[in-house]
Amino acid sequence: AQSVTQPDIHITVSEGASLELRCNYSYGATPYLFWYVQSPGQGLQLLLKYFSGDTLVQGIKGFEAEFKRSQSSFNLRKPSVHWSDAAEYFCAVAGGADGLTFGKGTHLIIQP
Amino acid sequence: TAGITQAPTSQILAAGRSMTLRCTQDMRHNAMYWYRQDLGLGLRLIHYSNTAGTTGKGEVPDGYSVSRANTDDFPLTLASAVPSQTSVYFCASSQTRTGEQYFGPGTRLTVT
Repeated sequence: AQSVTQPDIHITVSEGASLELRCNYSYGATPYLFWYVQSPGQGLQLLLKYFSGDTLVQGIKGFEAEFKRSQSSFNLRKPSVHWSDAAEYFCAVAGGADGLTFGKGTHLIIQP
Repeated sequence: TAGITQAPTSQILAAGRSMTLRCTQDMRHNAMYWYRQDLGLGLRLIHYSNTAGTTGKGEVPDGYSVSRANTDDFPLTLASAVPSQTSVYFCASSQTRTGEQYFGPGTRLTVT
């Protein structure tokens, strides 16, 4: 069965600094991978997705992610974070009959 | 378009009472899902439906039931609520089971 690990429960970054959120997946075939963001009190919003092709994927809000098959990783990056990026971030992999499998999330805190 | 709507936004429910959480999508997506979100546990799948007329059990189905009479609606019923069902409930939909999921705004349920 597929699984997703987000090793960092919390990450604190200064405003304007770069960001990398880690995601490792386990899946037997070529994975379909996703990153979602959840602002407080809201539902999840899709940031970006990887299905095939170019391993560097661009998303909304200036985010990108790189698929590395050899490392089973799909890390999310942003060159310069803004205070409005403070949120919960979820990585997910598609597979199986029941849709996506989500990681437990990383809580991003932005320091002024 | 509205996307996915959920009702009610929040509810306080006495233990032992029944309740139905409503979910409607206007995207004509084939698949729909119910998740619960609890602090530290991330999103856990309760039930899913890959197409109208079919449903399946997710990771935490006990105490919940669903039906999928048509494409647009996917209600979640708690037959006899217990305090451990206090949570935030999210409905989601996707065109295919491997595609990106779109989330509703959530229902915050407190069982007392």
